Amino acid sequence: DAKTTQPNSMESNEEEPVHLPCNHSTISGTDYIHWYRQLPSQGPEYVIHGLTSNVNNRMASLAIAEDRKSSTLILHRATLRDAAVYYCILILWSNTGKLIFGQGTTLQVKP
Amino acid sequence: EAGVTQFPSHSVIEKGQTVTLRCDPISGHDNLYWYRRVMGKEIKFLLHFVKESKQDESGMPNNRFLAERTGGTYSTLKVQPAELEDSGVYFCASSQLGAGTDTQYFGPGTRLTVL
Repeated sequence: DAKTTQPNSMESNEEEPVHLPCNHSTISGTDYIHWYRQLPSQGPEYVIHGLTSNVNNRMASLAIAEDRKSSTLILHRATLRDAAVYYCILILWSNTGKLIFGQGTTLQVKP
Repeated sequence: EAGVTQFPSHSVIEKGQTVTLRCDPISGHDNLYWYRRVMGKEIKFLLHFVKESKQDESGMPNNRFLAERTGGTYSTLKVQPAELEDSGVYFCASSQLGAGTDTQYFGPGTRLTVL
């Protein structure tokens, strides 16, 4: 599976949008881009995933660059509960589902 | 619907002892995964079951670790004998399809401390 690069940490103010970047320059055409997050003292939880087109769900939006070499997870209005480590993970479509976690981005949300 | 559950939530044992961790996946999920995070490191994949069969056990660190999933329902991960470096948080996850497009649902983890 291809590698991803994320900033170690980011800060945001409560109620403001947050854009979490992820670079994946070696992505293959059949790699899905998944985002998970881990809240303090909890297991990771799924946030969103996509292949080529931008995706929206109740938690977040995923913006995928046209060349697919980068993507951005967008939290439209950050809350204190969104403080977590966010992981960008590439998964080959034929993969059995094994997740390879990097260091992720630690998001701090300030009141 | 109940999520993935893990038992115990915490375990403190002496080096050389045996510990068994249990994971109950979401009902109907054929795929079950074990991961762990040791102190200061990233979350690492351990193994993947499809029903009762081991699909991928490439992440198991050594033969002191034994995972089972009898009957294709709950799974156990036994560490025998435990070593200091086994301390960490062990996560279990389950999914329906086991594919690259699938969503994995994680349990809260078991924190293992080996003294």
